[in-house]
Amino acid sequence: DTGVSQDPRHKITKRGQNVTFRCDPISEHNRLYWYRQTLGQGPEFLTYFQNEAQLEKSRLLSDRFSAERPKGSFSTLEIQRTEQGDSAMYLCASSQLTEAFFGQGTRLTVV
Amino acid sequence: ELKVEQNPLFLSMQEGKNYTIYCNYSTTSDRLYWYRQDPGKSLESLFVLLSNGAVKQEGRLMASLDTKARLSTLHITAAVHDLSATYFCAVDSAGNQFYFGTGTSLTVIP
Repeated sequence: DTGVSQDPRHKITKRGQNVTFRCDPISEHNRLYWYRQTLGQGPEFLTYFQNEAQLEKSRLLSDRFSAERPKGSFSTLEIQRTEQGDSAMYLCASSQLTEAFFGQGTRLTVV
Repeated sequence: ELKVEQNPLFLSMQEGKNYTIYCNYSTTSDRLYWYRQDPGKSLESLFVLLSNGAVKQEGRLMASLDTKARLSTLHITAAVHDLSATYFCAVDSAGNQFYFGTGTSLTVIP
């Protein structure tokens, strides 16, 4: 078990470009979460999957954000037409019953 | 929406001293988690508290949960430099999401 894996670890993009991040959860974990964290703040919930079903979405998740978990295993988070305010650490977590385990995160910088 | 508040936000303490971090939350929940985050790193799970009165200890850290008061504490005993980090509490909303506090940045000075 290698834990939750996220790719890439860092991404620098120009404003207006689209970006996609990938998360591979711990195998057999049916729950997967995406969070966003900015400097000095706690993680903010973005969305939650149980298996392949997206069951919760935060109002923070504007229509420029979309997440998928097509086969109930890995997940992708896409941000379209990036804005400078999207610069943050994007964290993925997975859980089976209660405790959530976090990946190393993808740090996005929009220039 | 569930609110989670931590205090203090910043804590500077001397090695060897004891201190407590407090986590209050706004609605009923029986599940509370403590995480540690080092600068630029992800979150490391420290404690999972699943019932009223739960107490867990690991090394110099001890966490407790009082669901009636909607309060959890993280007690640090005889602090050492290696404990310097940001500590977050998080409350579980029916397993659908975790609400995090703003974090407590702990610095242990020699």
